Amino acid sequence: SAVISQKPSRDICQRGTSLTIQCQVDSQVTMMFWYRQQPGQSLTLIATANQGSEATYESGFVIDKFPISRPNLTFSTLTVSNMSPEDSSIYLCSVAGQGGGKLFFGSGTQLSVL
Amino acid sequence: AQSVTQPDIHITVSEGASLELRCNYSYGATPYLFWYVQSPGQGLQLLLKYFSGDTLVQGIKGFEAEFKRSQSSFNLRKPSVHWSDAAEYFCAVGAQRSSNYKLTFGKGTLLTVNP
Repeated sequence: SAVISQKPSRDICQRGTSLTIQCQVDSQVTMMFWYRQQPGQSLTLIATANQGSEATYESGFVIDKFPISRPNLTFSTLTVSNMSPEDSSIYLCSVAGQGGGKLFFGSGTQLSVL
Repeated sequence: AQSVTQPDIHITVSEGASLELRCNYSYGATPYLFWYVQSPGQGLQLLLKYFSGDTLVQGIKGFEAEFKRSQSSFNLRKPSVHWSDAAEYFCAVGAQRSSNYKLTFGKGTLLTVNP
């Protein structure tokens, strides 16, 4: 299994600012994923980040709002831009395990936007 | 499109009692099915998964789940709950293609364990 370190673990931000969340994995992985977990809701996939290529965004998510970097096989960042209170959520980084469909998750970033 | 329904938002059981968390899915073919657990302040941890074969799968921490195709269900069970099982549980479904890691999650069931 992969060990995923995510930071910050939580933050309180002002409306209109941006926050960059970092995700570090203890081994090289091809596919990394960013999820959002809104209060009382299920996890929703924001985008898939592969090293060396642009991230692939799911319907309802755009690069201008959630820019993603993937500079190498062990690291990725997600930026939440121009934040509003509706962006208050838990953001989770995950990586794919072997054997199809299995994901390992970081501990998440609890974001509150005032 | 695939979807997952967890009918119970919150369940409370006494320590030592049995537990069943319900999960129903919608998917056009045979799916990959998963149960994850999220403790407060933690990320999600995989409890168990069903890919194919025996429809009763065993997981970690004494959990098991049964895949019932006729009912489109994948309910999670544990014969005797421990206080440390208090957490939120998520059922998820994915496509049966090894390169596809896009999982659709249910909204979760919060488990409270009374002493």
